[in-house]
Amino acid sequence: DAGITQSPRHKVTETGTPVTLRCHQTENHRYMYWYRQDPGHGLRLIHYSYGVKDTDKGEVSDGYSVSRSKTEDFLLTLESATSSQTSVYFCAISRGTGFTDTQYFGPGTRLTVL
Amino acid sequence: RKEVEQDPGPFNVPEGATVAFNCTYSNSASQSFFWYRQDCRKEPKLLMSVYSSGNEDGRFTAQLNRASQYISLLIRDSKLSDSATYLCGTYNTDKLIFGTGTRLQVFP
Repeated sequence: DAGITQSPRHKVTETGTPVTLRCHQTENHRYMYWYRQDPGHGLRLIHYSYGVKDTDKGEVSDGYSVSRSKTEDFLLTLESATSSQTSVYFCAISRGTGFTDTQYFGPGTRLTVL
Repeated sequence: RKEVEQDPGPFNVPEGATVAFNCTYSNSASQSFFWYRQDCRKEPKLLMSVYSSGNEDGRFTAQLNRASQYISLLIRDSKLSDSATYLCGTYNTDKLIFGTGTRLQVFP
């Protein structure tokens, strides 16, 4: 158990509405990640963070923003949700110091945009 | 070419069989490799990490072939509970890149 929770676990929303997903960790790890998973595409990195207020873009960052004001929380925001953002969103942490370390995943958030 | 490629399967095998999946990668500088198991509608869970030529954990063996740029996962004596999707991943600089996964179905 990597001590990661995600909220909400399920959400249905309408096109054009803002949505914020929360990832919370209890173990004070420096690196946190947001992925989306879609059939045929696998897991794709949206944004990641390497410390409080330190974030960077991943492969599919358009339409998403992130914030990390505390070590334990990493927020993913869809400013204006679109149907193409219907997906399963996973948060992950890595326990080590950087770019070769194992990542551990949270339970996921299933988001549907109507 | 995709950075990490996997045969999507499904691989349908009987209980007790040995099955192997391959995962090819394009970045010759990759140093660390990971196999995850993912059950339907669940999060990926680490099966094993590979930092050198290979790794073994019980019935599971991962073998790295740097010359041909692939990593394999061998499962011996398959169990019904091994049915899942297996994801491989490797870092490209600071980002962990995953394949789309290989689905395994073990039948009685």
